Amino acid sequence: DAKTTQPNSMESNEEEPVHLPCNHSTISGTDYIHWYRQLPSQGPEYVIHGLTSNVNNRMASLAIAEDRKSSTLILHRATLRDAAVYYCILRDVTTGTASKLTFGTGTRLQVTL
Amino acid sequence: NAGVTQTPKFRILKIGQSMTLQCAQDMNHNYMYWYRQDPGMGLKLIYYSVGAGITDKGEVPNGYNVSRSTTEDFPLRLELAAPSQTSVYFCASSPPGQGREGYTFGSGTRLTVV
Repeated sequence: DAKTTQPNSMESNEEEPVHLPCNHSTISGTDYIHWYRQLPSQGPEYVIHGLTSNVNNRMASLAIAEDRKSSTLILHRATLRDAAVYYCILRDVTTGTASKLTFGTGTRLQVTL
Repeated sequence: NAGVTQTPKFRILKIGQSMTLQCAQDMNHNYMYWYRQDPGMGLKLIYYSVGAGITDKGEVPNGYNVSRSTTEDFPLRLELAAPSQTSVYFCASSPPGQGREGYTFGSGTRLTVV
């Protein structure tokens, strides 16, 4: 499985934008880029995913580099409720595979007042 | 929709005891997964299933068994509990979109083996 590299931790002030980076230099053409987050004492929660183009949804935006070797999850206005561990995961979409998610240790985001 | 429901939420087992962690989803998802998460670590895949009657091993299957008799249910069985199985267990499901859709996770079962 192609691997991802994320910083262990990041800090942000409330109401400010947050850019969470992810490197995936060995990404293959059949890998989707998925982001999940895990709030304290909860199960992971799907945030967003993309293949080649930038994506927006109600939770966040995903910016994907042109060569797809890196991506950035953007929280436009961080709140205290966004404090969580954020996981960047590559998911193979090759037909016939079970398309499993492999979790790393993610980035722990702290949000302060 | 309830999503993915896991029971029990907490359990303490003695070494050598057995138990079944229950997982049910009401979204008609074909794919289901069991993960474990040790303190401070990411999730590791134990078993997964692509449909009723079909299961396969993940990264850390030793000490566990699964079955998938219906689309909705995917129980995880621990036969002889060991302290190394103390962990938080998460069940998840996804539609068969081959990576184009997200997973839905349950809220977890916190298991302690003493």
